[in-house]
Amino acid sequence: GENVEQHPSTLSVQEGDSAVIKCTYSDSASNYFPWYKQELGKRPQLIIDIRSNVGEKKDQRIAVTLNKTAKHFSLHITETQPEDSAVYFCAARSEWAGTALIFGKGTTLSVSS
Amino acid sequence: GAVVSQHPSRVICKSGTSVKIECRSLDFQATTMFWYRQFPKQSLMLMATSNEGSKATYEQGVEKDKFLINHASLTLSTLTVTSAHPEDSSFYICSASGTSSTGELFFGEGSRLTVL
Repeated sequence: GENVEQHPSTLSVQEGDSAVIKCTYSDSASNYFPWYKQELGKRPQLIIDIRSNVGEKKDQRIAVTLNKTAKHFSLHITETQPEDSAVYFCAARSEWAGTALIFGKGTTLSVSS
Repeated sequence: GAVVSQHPSRVICKSGTSVKIECRSLDFQATTMFWYRQFPKQSLMLMATSNEGSKATYEQGVEKDKFLINHASLTLSTLTVTSAHPEDSSFYICSASGTSSTGELFFGEGSRLTVL
């Protein structure tokens, strides 16, 4: 089955700096890669996703890149703000197989002002 | 996007009792729903895949006799934690794919179970 590794587990940056979180996956059949932001005690919130037919996707300060050959994908947050502080999870699934999302272990991002 | 509703949001029970958590897809039919468990400061771990009209598929290490899953209709899946113990205290969350082809899964609000 799918296995998703996520690094780093914690990340501290100064406000205005960029933050990068990296994930690798194992199952070449995976074709959907979302990133979630989760606040304590709440459901994960989708912040951006990418499918395997695309190499990069951007939404304002957030971007995701995907390297299918190397089986890794990354989240990039630019001009970080204190409200970006949260736990971020990457995940992967094969939508064709109707399989579940498999999550990375999460990254706690702290943005200090 | 599609809406998934989960109930109850919080439940406290005594050790040895059973607790049922409901997951409903409000505006779409969900042939498949997924149940996750999240312990404090950890990731979401897949427990089982719930298929309408058939038996659930459990992940390795998840006791199917303890975590009973019923998916009797296209809009409702239930998870029953039987004979709950303090170590079962966790955040349980369900998800389902909507009718779009994006691959996105939609999550319920989650249920915080505390077993005393």
